[in-house]
Amino acid sequence: GAGVSQTPSNKVTEKGKYVELRCDPISGHTALYWYRQSLGQGPEFLIYFQGTGAADDSGLPNDRFFAVRPEGSVSTLKIQRTERGDSAVYLCASSQSGQGFDEQYFGPGTRLTVT
Amino acid sequence: AQSVTQLDSHVSVSEGTPVLLRCNYSSSYSPSLFWYVQHPNKGLQLLLKYTSAATLVKGINGFEAEFKKSETSFHLTKPSAHMSDAAEYFCVVSDIRGNEKLTFGTGTRLTIIP
Repeated sequence: GAGVSQTPSNKVTEKGKYVELRCDPISGHTALYWYRQSLGQGPEFLIYFQGTGAADDSGLPNDRFFAVRPEGSVSTLKIQRTERGDSAVYLCASSQSGQGFDEQYFGPGTRLTVT
Repeated sequence: AQSVTQLDSHVSVSEGTPVLLRCNYSSSYSPSLFWYVQHPNKGLQLLLKYTSAATLVKGINGFEAEFKKSETSFHLTKPSAHMSDAAEYFCVVSDIRGNEKLTFGTGTRLTIIP
C-alpha cells in the first residue's frame, strides 16, 4: 500500500516569504506528526495531531509556524515570514493509533531552503 | 522529560565484523525505545522497537538490541556487517504514558570498510 507522501520534495524560497508543506498520511492512520531535521542532527518534534486536533504543539519554535489537519487526513505545515534558520528537512509521520508504542511511518521529507 | 544520548557520532567497521552502536536513555516513565535507520536520500525506516516485553529485541536485517534498565542502555548490534548497512542510525525514545512524540538522538553514521 501507499506510504506517507510529502509535497513538494524540495522548496526554495526567499527570506520573508510564506510557505506551505503538505503531508498525506497512510490511509486510516489517526495520528500525524511533524518533525524538523537540521543538517547533521536528529529529527526534532514539532507537532502531533490526533484526528483533526493538535494534541501536542509544544515543539513549534514560534508563532510563525502553524499546522492544520482539517479533515483528519492531509496536513499542511505553514511557515510565515521565513528565515534562513528555517532551512531544514521537514518530515511527516503517521501512526495507526498515536500510542507511544505504535510505529510511526515516515515520509521522504520536504527539503526547505530559505535564501 | 525524555532524552537519548548516542555515544558515537561515527563508527567504522570492516565488512563481516560485528557492529555495536551505543545508546543511553533517560525517561521519567517506562519508555518505548526504537532504532531507526536513514539511508542517503531515503526516509527513516524502523529497525526494531522495545515496548516492555522481552528485553532482547530482534529487528530487520539481522540487527538486535538489548534493553538494560540498570544501565539505562539500548545498544544496537549486528554480528556481521554488510556493505548495505552503511547509513545513519538513530536511537529514539517515547514515553508510553501519554507522550507520543519521539525524541531522537543525534545519530551515528556507520561506515563499512570493504
